[in-house]
Amino acid sequence: DAKTTQPPSMDCAEGRAANLPCNHSTISGNEYVYWYRQIHSQGPQYIIHGLKNNETNEMASLIITEDRKSSTLILPHATLRDTAVYYCIVSPNFGNEKLTFGTGTRLTIIP
Amino acid sequence: DTGVSQDPRHKITKRGQNVTFRCDPISEHNRLYWYRQTLGQGPEFLTYFQNEAQLEKSRLLSDRFSAERPKGSFSTLEIQRTEQGDSAMYLCASSFLSSLGSYEQYFGPGTRLTVT
Repeated sequence: DAKTTQPPSMDCAEGRAANLPCNHSTISGNEYVYWYRQIHSQGPQYIIHGLKNNETNEMASLIITEDRKSSTLILPHATLRDTAVYYCIVSPNFGNEKLTFGTGTRLTIIP
Repeated sequence: DTGVSQDPRHKITKRGQNVTFRCDPISEHNRLYWYRQTLGQGPEFLTYFQNEAQLEKSRLLSDRFSAERPKGSFSTLEIQRTEQGDSAMYLCASSFLSSLGSYEQYFGPGTRLTVT
């Protein structure tokens, strides 16, 4: 599985956009970029995924560079409830769907 | 609540004892996964089922670990002769084939195991 690199921690002011970067320079053509988050003492929660086009849902937006070697998760208006560890994962869409988590980015939303 | 449920939420056991955890996936989800998470680390994959068939096991799953999903619904994870190194959060997840063709995984709250 391709590996990802994320900053260990980030802060963001409440109400501002939180931009979380992820490098995945060895991603294969059939691998998707997934984002999950884990709020303290809870199981991980799916946020969004994409292949090469930018994606948006009710939780976030995902921007993938044209060469697919990096991506950015955007939380448009961060709230205190968005404080969590965010994991960027690359995984084939079919076949082997086990998720390989790294250590993620600990995002702290500052009031 | 129709999410993934796990039981118990917390388990304290003495070294050498056997423990069993249960996971009830979201109904109609045909895939079920087990992960383990230690403090400060991301979850690590242990094994997964497609219906009742166990399709993959991680090298992390030693001979002391066994998982079953006998009827393709709930699953159990048993650890025999527990060791202190088994102390961790054990997470269960389930998934289904969505209209987009992807397998988002839905996680339960986990079972926290402490081996003394």
